Amino acid sequence: GAVVSQHPSWVICKSGTSVKIECRSLDFQATTMFWYRQFPKQSLMLMATSNEGSKATYEQGVEKDKFLINHASLTLSTLTVTSAHPEDSSFYICSAPGQANTDTQYFGPGTRLTVL
Amino acid sequence: QKEVEQDPGPLSVPEGAIVSLNCTYSNSAFQYFMWYRQYSRKGPELLMYTYSSGNKEDGRFTAQVDKSSKYISLFIRDSQPSDSATYLCAMKRSNTGKLIFGQGTTLQVKP
Repeated sequence: GAVVSQHPSWVICKSGTSVKIECRSLDFQATTMFWYRQFPKQSLMLMATSNEGSKATYEQGVEKDKFLINHASLTLSTLTVTSAHPEDSSFYICSAPGQANTDTQYFGPGTRLTVL
Repeated sequence: QKEVEQDPGPLSVPEGAIVSLNCTYSNSAFQYFMWYRQYSRKGPELLMYTYSSGNKEDGRFTAQVDKSSKYISLFIRDSQPSDSATYLCAMKRSNTGKLIFGQGTTLQVKP
């Protein structure tokens, strides 16, 4: 199956700082990647769809100026949480569709963000 | 009302038991149904993928979709302690559509 990696796996930062999370498709190309957020004991909520070479599409209620997404290549998408606050502490997970782009999604291992 | 409803549990069973996990949904437009397994502090791992109604079997896992009742199930036979995880149902309207997840059911299989 397709492999998606994320870096870092966990990060702790101070309130007001920015944090960048990387999502890579290791053995396939992904023109589209998805970013999810998961709070403890809750389900995954789609934040945005990252499109290679164009602007990301954000879900309703997600601040695009706070969660900056860059999909600069066919194997890398980045999510930057700007001016992070404690309420941004969460588990951030990316995913990418399989080779045919109509397949189901393959998820990365997630990044746990803690904002102090 | 949430589009996808899933009992969060927790569900605790003895090793070897048959486990039944379920989700209901409200949108009849959903055509693609998936079950993911998520271990603590890890990303979801795809278990089963089903299009439209019917059954699908893969080893100890069987997925069922009943579109008339808007109800999907995942059965785990001969459950093992290593099956202890959170199981998430997910569904979408089209091949390239957005995945909608259930809340996830936490399963614990005791030795």
